[in-house]
Amino acid sequence: DAGVTQSPTHLIKTRGQQVTLRCSPISGHKSVSWYQQVLGQGPQFIFQYYEKEERGRGNFPDRFSARQFPNYSSELNVNALLLGDSALYLCASSRQGSPTNEKLFFGSGTQLSVL
Amino acid sequence: AQKVTQAQTEISVVEKEDVTLDCVYETRDTTYYLFWYKQPPSGELVFLIRRNSFDEQNEISGRYSWNFQKSTSSFNFTITASQVVDSAVYFCALKRNNAGNMLTFGGGTRLMVKP
Repeated sequence: DAGVTQSPTHLIKTRGQQVTLRCSPISGHKSVSWYQQVLGQGPQFIFQYYEKEERGRGNFPDRFSARQFPNYSSELNVNALLLGDSALYLCASSRQGSPTNEKLFFGSGTQLSVL
Repeated sequence: AQKVTQAQTEISVVEKEDVTLDCVYETRDTTYYLFWYKQPPSGELVFLIRRNSFDEQNEISGRYSWNFQKSTSSFNFTITASQVVDSAVYFCALKRNNAGNMLTFGGGTRLMVKP
């Protein structure tokens, strides 16, 4: 089975533009989460979606939004890009919404550079 | 508020040396979960271990071992007889009970194992 897949792998945008990042979870997984990892830091939680509903939101501005589709894939949108949005964006999937007793599987991320 | 501190930003060892990565956490919760993830250059986070706050038994998995001490709020990770393939960034993370996929990560420790 394929792991968590993210596209694109790299992206370059300019300030003020909008960007959409995509994530396909592992087959059978219904929950998708997004994390932002700035260079040299640990990942920071942005969103969690489970069964197409938002289940959690981190401390990010409203410029960040996401959605989950019926096939459980997900998109992360960032509007009005700032230089500080440059980061590796990681997607993670799990079978359920609260994986206390299961692992969270991460993709390899999308590296976003804002110039 | 929750916080995870990995004071060692970078460690360099020679192959076959033992190395311990430190993790100190802060939480007011009585039920919580602690994790270690490995991030190789490819970017994806690889799950290593999960511990709940009521299980203070140390765990060993091959060359890896973990020491959870609630009294000092620490969850340290030891690699015995390190190998070059162990070179990566290692993250310690904390999750509240019923917090879905919202993990709080530390800043990471970059481990370099030289031949």
